[in-house]
Amino acid sequence: DAGVTQSPTHLIKTRGQQVTLRCSPKSGHDTVSWYQQALGQGPQFIFQYYEEEERQRGNFPDRFSGHQFPNYSSELNVNALLLGDSALYLCASSLGGGASNQPQHFGDGTRLSIL
Amino acid sequence: GNSVTQMEGPVTLSEEAFLTINCTYTATGYPSLFWYVQYPGEGLQLLLKATKADDKGSNKGFEATYRKETTSFHLEKGSVQVSDSAVYFCALSEWTGGFKTIFGAGTRLFVKA
Repeated sequence: DAGVTQSPTHLIKTRGQQVTLRCSPKSGHDTVSWYQQALGQGPQFIFQYYEEEERQRGNFPDRFSGHQFPNYSSELNVNALLLGDSALYLCASSLGGGASNQPQHFGDGTRLSIL
Repeated sequence: GNSVTQMEGPVTLSEEAFLTINCTYTATGYPSLFWYVQYPGEGLQLLLKATKADDKGSNKGFEATYRKETTSFHLEKGSVQVSDSAVYFCALSEWTGGFKTIFGAGTRLFVKA
């Protein structure tokens, strides 16, 4: 049973560029959440997708956008990259629109470095 | 807004010592509370959870009790092992038109043999 898979594992970009990160949820899960984890910090919620719609959003600018596909996989897009966007980006999946009593399963993340 | 505050690390203990990692939260309603753990070189994984006041979550010898009156969810273990060395994150999840999870900054635990 495959868990949450993210690609790529590492990525290096320069300021001003655009990036797309990908996530496949755990089998049977229909909800995907994205988090940004800066070094030495806890994950910060970016947004959540359920039924191909953005259901909830954290305090991130519009440069951060996403998409969920009919097979429940998801993409995170970041435009006009800034040095401060350097972080580990985590994808988490769960069942049922992210109901609070349903645990989230996390992927190993994509390490994004901005030069 | 909602927030989670946990004790700063690192926490360094000898094997078989008692562990407490403090966590307090701020929420407008009745959140669910979680402890996640991140072992070296691994991804975040759920350690335990509690969904309502006075619930006790437990797993792998770790326990935490949801205390609404003190808005706390402290993590405890009676006898730590070297293999417990990891970063521990306290988190809450609450319905605000959708569910999102708010994490604390994490507490790194080192256990010495």
